[in-house]
Amino acid sequence: AQSVTQLGSHVSVSEGALVLLRCNYSSSVPPYLFWYVQYPNQGLQLLLKYTSAATLVKGINGFEAEFKKSETSFHLTKPSAHMSDAAEYFCAVSNSGAGSYQLTFGKGTKLSVIP
Amino acid sequence: KAGVTQTPRYLIKTRGQQVTLSCSPISGHRSVSWYQQTPGQGLQFLFEYFSETQRNKGNFPGRFSGRQFSNSRSEMNVSTLELGDSALYLCASSLIPGNQETQYFGPGTRLLVL
Repeated sequence: AQSVTQLGSHVSVSEGALVLLRCNYSSSVPPYLFWYVQYPNQGLQLLLKYTSAATLVKGINGFEAEFKKSETSFHLTKPSAHMSDAAEYFCAVSNSGAGSYQLTFGKGTKLSVIP
Repeated sequence: KAGVTQTPRYLIKTRGQQVTLSCSPISGHRSVSWYQQTPGQGLQFLFEYFSETQRNKGNFPGRFSGRQFSNSRSEMNVSTLELGDSALYLCASSLIPGNQETQYFGPGTRLLVL
């Protein structure tokens, strides 16, 4: 079974500072990995996804993530935090079994941005 | 192109009642999945549908059921509601099933069971 661990349920950064949200996965097969963002009272919005084409993946809103197989990690970064980045972020791995597909999510990391 | 729509957005029910939630996928998308989100358990997979067939089901009791129609719209039903069923129910659609396929999420239906 595949799983995702997000280190830190809550991260606070100052506006303009580096954002680093950690995600580690376990998978017995090459994984497909996703980062989603959820703003209050909204659904999930895709930030970026890794599908083995390139290890450094660029997403929307200035976010990027690097797939590191040796570390089984897919950490999300943004060079300079903006107030509008305050939200909850979820890392997910796509599972497949018997021809069906589902996302397994981490517990989420709530990002606060301090002015 | 319109996104995934879910109705209703908010719902209040009492224990023992049943509820039906609806999801309309993005036009052309044929795969629909449902997830339950709670503060305690996080995001958990409920079911996945493709071509009107349930292809996978998560670890939920039989009170949770769903279906998909020929136009790819999907409904989920929860019978004999319990307090613990209070959650945000998210529907996601993708073009076809597949690990590389992006699942696009709707805004969710927030269910409160009293």
